[in-house]
Amino acid sequence: GQQVMQIPQYQHVQEGEDFTTYCNSSTTLSNIQWYKQRPGGHPVFLIQLVKSGEVKKQKRLTFQFGEAKKNSSLHITATQTTDVGTYFCAGVLISGTYKYIFGTGTRLKVLA
Amino acid sequence: EAGVTQSPTHLIKTRGQQATLRCSPISGHTSVYWYQQALGLGLQFLLWYDEGEERNRGNFPPRFSGRQFPNYSSELNVNALELEDSALYLCASSLNGGGSYNEQFFGPGTRLTVL
Repeated sequence: GQQVMQIPQYQHVQEGEDFTTYCNSSTTLSNIQWYKQRPGGHPVFLIQLVKSGEVKKQKRLTFQFGEAKKNSSLHITATQTTDVGTYFCAGVLISGTYKYIFGTGTRLKVLA
Repeated sequence: EAGVTQSPTHLIKTRGQQATLRCSPISGHTSVYWYQQALGLGLQFLLWYDEGEERNRGNFPPRFSGRQFPNYSSELNVNALELEDSALYLCASSLNGGGSYNEQFFGPGTRLTVL
């Protein structure tokens, strides 16, 4: 079935190291959104990408939407302990009917 | 501006019972979404309501149902509860139209426990 997979599922990094999570869809996406969920919290919107090949930056976070609009990535430079949480991508699949799917998520732990 | 609110915070039921969860969207938002998040797992899309109508539903059995009221608040009903229905149920709202290009704002969730 149509899925949006994220890799890795888990990532432990030392504080100061970089981190990247990848989001891959089996179907072309009309857009991609990224959310962060802190432990015990609810998802919070980070950013939305719409255009093919689009790159957006938020301080230490860099978001990229693939040329084919089937994949996306979130890169964090010099992680901090406040980056801990699960990062989800979410997108609308271009498949005839509206289908909004969240990715499987990447859980990030930052070791001080 | 008040965020998305959900009630109750916690709900404990036994197998076979029915559960009703409530959500109030951010003022001005007409779309409401429901998600199920089992412990340690990702978000599973349940239902999407916009302007009082069900626009889409995820791969859940019919005993998961809901509705949206004229004031855009929403209710999720789960009938014939099963143990595996235990999860955090999150509600989100967005501005009108489809959510495709609008960010969703999430509520704190209702923790449903089925014994």
